[in-house]
Amino acid sequence: DAGVIQSPRHEVTEMGQEVTLRCKPISGHNSLFWYRQTMMRGLELLIYFNNNVPIDDSGMPEDRFSAKMPNASFSTLKIQPSEPRDSAVYFCASSSGTGMFDTQYFGPGTRLTVL
Amino acid sequence: AQSVTQLDSQVPVFEEAPVELRCNYSSSVSVYLFWYVQYPNQGLQLLLKYLSGSTLVKGINGFEAEFNKSQTSFHLRKPSVHISDTAEYFCAVSDYGGSNYKLTFGKGTLLTVNP
Repeated sequence: DAGVIQSPRHEVTEMGQEVTLRCKPISGHNSLFWYRQTMMRGLELLIYFNNNVPIDDSGMPEDRFSAKMPNASFSTLKIQPSEPRDSAVYFCASSSGTGMFDTQYFGPGTRLTVL
Repeated sequence: AQSVTQLDSQVPVFEEAPVELRCNYSSSVSVYLFWYVQYPNQGLQLLLKYLSGSTLVKGINGFEAEFNKSQTSFHLRKPSVHISDTAEYFCAVSDYGGSNYKLTFGKGTLLTVNP
C-alpha cells in the first residue's frame, strides 16, 4: 500500500501566483480531508469530502481557497491568489469511513512558502 | 467548541527513561480522544484512541494513555523510551455528534530522546 500521496512536497511561489496542491488518497477510502499546519494555529481542518462530495468546508479560510475531488482517487487544493500568510504545511488525509471509528491516514504534506 | 491544550511544547528525556506527555481538553459534550505521532518530514500516524470502555488505552510502539473524565485529561505515557521515539506528538479530540469526523488538535509536544 503506497499510502496517501501528495505533490509537490515543497512549493515556493511569489505572492499573487496560483498554487495547486494535489492528493491521491489510499485506494478504497471514501473520505478525504485537507488540513493546514502553522506554528501559530497548529493543525486545522480545511475541508472534508465524503464519496467525492464536499461535506464540510467551514475551515476554508476565504474565497481564495478552493478544493475539488473529481474522482475517488484525486483531489486538489487551490489557492488563487496566494499570500505570504498562506505559508504552511498542507496535509491530505483519507479514511475508509465517515466517523471517529475510522482512522485517518495522513500524507507526508506539502510545505508551501509564499514570498 | 472544543479545545485541546498540550501543556509542554518540548520534552527532552534520556533513552530508557519513562515519559509522560500531558493533554487536557475542554468540551461541552462527550468526546473521543486520540494521540498522533509525526516523525520528521512525515505525515501524522495514529498512536492510539479512546472511544469508550476501559479508560486505559494501549497503542502502538509501547505507548499507552489514560482517560480521566473528572480532570478532562488524556496523558500519554511510555515506561522506557528509545531514540526512535523522537518525534512530535499531537493530542486530538472529536465530539459525539454528527461532526465526529472533525479532529481538533493540540499544538503538539516535541519529544527528544537523548542517548
